[in-house]
Amino acid sequence: DTGVSQNPRHKITKRGQNVTFRCDPISEHNRLYWYRQTLGQGPEFLTYFQNEAQLEKSRLLSDRFSAERPKGSFSTLEIQRTEQGDSAMYLCASSFQRGGSNEQFFGPGTRLTVL
Amino acid sequence: GENVEQHPSTLSVQEGDSAVIKCTYSDSASNYFPWYKQELGKGPQLIIDIRSNVGEKKDQRIAVTLNKTAKHFSLHITETQPEDSAVYFCAAAFSSGSARQLTFGSGTQLTVLP
Repeated sequence: DTGVSQNPRHKITKRGQNVTFRCDPISEHNRLYWYRQTLGQGPEFLTYFQNEAQLEKSRLLSDRFSAERPKGSFSTLEIQRTEQGDSAMYLCASSFQRGGSNEQFFGPGTRLTVL
Repeated sequence: GENVEQHPSTLSVQEGDSAVIKCTYSDSASNYFPWYKQELGKGPQLIIDIRSNVGEKKDQRIAVTLNKTAKHFSLHITETQPEDSAVYFCAAAFSSGSARQLTFGSGTQLTVLP
């Protein structure tokens, strides 16, 4: 399978704990995006990377959230001191900039439940 | 920032009938409009997209139309089949050579009744 993969698929944690999610993009894709999706809503942009550089962050990305893409390949999203409002599906997408095409391919997501 | 509104939130059609989902966007600078299909437990999958330099695009049973003046775009699915049942999202973005930050609508749950 050469699509975007995310791990874990599900995470249940207690309020106040830290969690980390991993995203492995499609291998030749230089751009990587994180989105958050709550029940009944569309995905909301959090942040994106071009290679290893984090170029944009949404105001939704509070200081408890941090994302990295250390070698321009996989990425991690860490949430510190989780709150119940952090419960959501966290989606990763990747794309390869080629001319005007920038189709984003999404992974299956990590569903976070904060108790 | 961009705001995308999507209607209806739920849509039921008989197998073989057509389905139409409509979206409006607020930022006249947006120039890229993809549609995604999301099945239960899966991430969104791109089914068709359109850029602002064209008014219509078709791919087999799926078509998208764009009205830049009115700032709305629509998804048309003809000859619907039960496997078309899913949540559909429209999105809008401005592409300037940098990344396209997608702004999504709230989704339409399409149910195709056999």
